[in-house]
Amino acid sequence: DAGVTQSPTHLIKTRGQQVTLRCSPISGHKSVSWYQQVLGQGPQFIFQYYEKEERGRGNFPDRFSARQFPNYSSELNVNALLLGDSALYLCASSFGETQYFGPGTRLLVL
Amino acid sequence: GQQLNQSPQSMFIQEGEDVSMNCTSSSIFNTWLWYKQDPGEGPVLLIALYKAGELTSNGRLTAQFGITRKDSFLNISASIPSDVGIYFCAGQLRETSGSRLTFGEGTQLTVNP
Repeated sequence: DAGVTQSPTHLIKTRGQQVTLRCSPISGHKSVSWYQQVLGQGPQFIFQYYEKEERGRGNFPDRFSARQFPNYSSELNVNALLLGDSALYLCASSFGETQYFGPGTRLLVL
Repeated sequence: GQQLNQSPQSMFIQEGEDVSMNCTSSSIFNTWLWYKQDPGEGPVLLIALYKAGELTSNGRLTAQFGITRKDSFLNISASIPSDVGIYFCAGQLRETSGSRLTFGEGTQLTVNP
């Protein structure tokens, strides 16, 4: 079975631009969570979605938004990009409590 | 907010040695998880612990959920070169608003052949 997939794998943007990252969960998983991992640190929670509804939000500004689709895939949007948004963005899916991570999208903001 | 203190920050060991790392928290968690992350990849789940006091093994890896629910440790026995990577602990608290993971800052493990 396929694991969590994310696209694109790498992305380069400039300050002020907008970006959309995509995630497909493991088949049968209805919950998707997003995390931001800055180099040298552990992942930080951004959002969790379950059955298309937001179930939790981390300490991130309103420039960050997300949604989940009927097929349980998800998108993370970041508006008005800042240099500090450069990071590895990780998506995790879960059926019960255990979260399984995708390979991430490496975003570089110049 | 909740913070996890993970130690040591880095370890340099010889192949065949045993390794121990731990995490402590100021708050309790329902679940403790241990992940390994290789460069440029996402974290891979190693062990999940669901009950206070639980001791679980996965091959050469053994992890325990602290009795106070505020700590966990991971042991790796007889290390091999492919154990190299960053190990993260993560605590999970089931809330009405979902179940987010709180991560430690990682332990960078280097194994010398």
